[in-house]
Amino acid sequence: QSALTQPASVSGSPGQTITISCTGTTSDIGRFIYVSWYQQHPGKAPKLIISEVSNRPSGVSDRFSGSRSGNTASLTISGLQAEDEAHYYCCSYTGSGTSTLWIFGGGTRLTVL
Amino acid sequence: EVQLAESGGGLAQPGGSLRLSCAVSEFTFSAYWMSWVRQAPGKGLEWVANIKEDGSLQYYVDSVKGRFTISRDNAKNSLYLQMNSLTGEDTAIYYCVTHSNWRFDSWGQGTLVTVSS
Repeated sequence: QSALTQPASVSGSPGQTITISCTGTTSDIGRFIYVSWYQQHPGKAPKLIISEVSNRPSGVSDRFSGSRSGNTASLTISGLQAEDEAHYYCCSYTGSGTSTLWIFGGGTRLTVL
Repeated sequence: EVQLAESGGGLAQPGGSLRLSCAVSEFTFSAYWMSWVRQAPGKGLEWVANIKEDGSLQYYVDSVKGRFTISRDNAKNSLYLQMNSLTGEDTAIYYCVTHSNWRFDSWGQGTLVTVSS
């Protein structure tokens, strides 16, 4: 099972809206709703920000939203803020019949200009 | 808020072994699946293994099957990862993670494992 494909980097100015894509296959993102997103600041542990494609855990800003179309999931951050500068990782369940239950994307570095 | 504290990382020689531990508090440990996720230096995240609430079921990524063993002690609210036959590709920060509703909810701060001669 290959890693999910994310752009290596994206950037935006404060106040702008950016979208990070995460492309998988019909065996993972295209098959299961169990797609999640994680934010990781340098030197820190990852933090869950989106689960099951578009659910936002309690305490996560509503500026973060998730969606899916076919085999591609997307994370959108609106009203970009300096504190959003971090790495973002997508993750998908692949099913218990596969060798790797969960696969992550390679990560996207978000730079707030 | 759940607290996870990993320990046991350090320097190991190729072919050597290490046992990671994770103490979990402020959490109904026995009611949840648990996972280990690792991150090689400067790289992305990789799911390593997970274990069912009662310890009766475990899953592993292909690259560690037969070498790593995940286990838990619900009486001690603790998660473990026994790592044998270590190679340089196992060098990473290992995170202990709570796992519920098909997502990785809470993460520890991680423990660094370095495999080098």
